[in-house]
Amino acid sequence: EVQLVQSESEVRKPGESLTISCKSSGYTFANYWIGWVRQMPGEGLEWMGLVHPSDSETTYSPSFRGLVTFSTDKSTNTAFLHWNSLRASDSAIYYCARPYSSGWSDPFDIWGRGTLVTVSS
Amino acid sequence: IQLTQSPSSLSASLGDRVTITCRASQDIRIYLAWYQQKPGKAPKLLISGASRLESGVPSRFSGSGSGTDFTLTISSLQPEDFATYYCQQLNTYPPFTFGPGTKVDIK
Repeated sequence: EVQLVQSESEVRKPGESLTISCKSSGYTFANYWIGWVRQMPGEGLEWMGLVHPSDSETTYSPSFRGLVTFSTDKSTNTAFLHWNSLRASDSAIYYCARPYSSGWSDPFDIWGRGTLVTVSS
Repeated sequence: IQLTQSPSSLSASLGDRVTITCRASQDIRIYLAWYQQKPGKAPKLLISGASRLESGVPSRFSGSGSGTDFTLTISSLQPEDFATYYCQQLNTYPPFTFGPGTKVDIK
């Protein structure tokens, strides 16, 4: 079974750093892009960008470029989303997701359950 | 590319035919997907390529359109269909924009 298992909820203070994870199983990790999607409380879905595990190629939405960093670890089939300095406005659920084929412009058919990030002083 | 959805919410009864519209600010050909999201759950892909039903999705769901105007239709609303529906364009990036969503609830 193809699965993306995300790390548990996190609570941090503004200015702190954070990395959340998304571990894949059931398919060849290096062959598919991994995407990240933000959902702020009570709001809609925001496409953050993509990372390809084979060469760490990334593409970021202009709204998130410079604010977050995507990375992967092929040895553990895991993708990561990292913040150097969190803001209260980063409080949201973050989903990782995989496109239904190896193309970067395909819709996401496999989703993790989401990681809730709460940033509060 | 901006996506708008109408209506933003609707109330419907079981068995009703429901139509949701998604409009793109530019021509996106047929590169549009539809997702369903229930509270506390991850989105679920329903339709890709504007009209291709994903495996396992009930046939009461259908999609149509091309260019800038698209529709998602539920032919006979079932209890499990009460959810929020999002369109997403995959023609021009970044970003592959999502629409603002349409919430379908019980009348």
